[in-house]
Amino acid sequence: DVKVTQSSRYLVKRTGEKVFLECVQDMDHENMFWYRQDPGLGLRLIYFSYDVKMKEKGDIPEGYSVSREKKERFSLILESASTNQTSMYLCASSPVGEQFFGPGTRLTVL
Amino acid sequence: AQSVTQLDSQVPVFEEAPVELRCNYSSSVSVYLFWYVQYPNQGLQLLLKYLSGSTLVESINGFEAEFNKSQTSFHLRKPSVHISDTAEYFCAVSRGGTSYGKLTFGQGTILTVHP
Repeated sequence: DVKVTQSSRYLVKRTGEKVFLECVQDMDHENMFWYRQDPGLGLRLIYFSYDVKMKEKGDIPEGYSVSREKKERFSLILESASTNQTSMYLCASSPVGEQFFGPGTRLTVL
Repeated sequence: AQSVTQLDSQVPVFEEAPVELRCNYSSSVSVYLFWYVQYPNQGLQLLLKYLSGSTLVESINGFEAEFNKSQTSFHLRKPSVHISDTAEYFCAVSRGGTSYGKLTFGQGTILTVHP
């Protein structure tokens, strides 16, 4: 079975802190994605990566950055967390087509 | 660019009743279509997908969806729902060919099955 793991299920941070969300997949997939999920808005793509050190902006990249130093690991970075970044963050990996999701990290910024 | 519209944000039904969750998409190119399900406090799981071939696709737990190219729809149906089907359902579209597997999601439909 494909396994996508995320470093934390729940996270509480203060405004202005730097926040790292980690995602690891074990299926050697080329593509990895970070989404945020908010009620009534579905999933919105923040960034994706199609190879090591390669990344592209999604629909809502402002306030976020990413890092992919190894094929299996894709990190989402909030340089200076703000309250409007309180959300559920979902990581996914994909060969082509179907995406496999991690359990999500619910981030609260106070 | 692609977009996906799920026409109902919430669908309440009684157990053993039929249900249809509606999804329309817009795209100028060929697409792949997906339905994902999210149970409370979990990530998304693939329910079913259309890549090519038969336009009617089925899942292992009784759901089915039909790709209708002329109406640009991919509605999800189940003839008889169970309490355990209570979840949020997301329709998604991917551009065929080399698109790195990027998906565009709809806003989600919360299905609540009442006893």
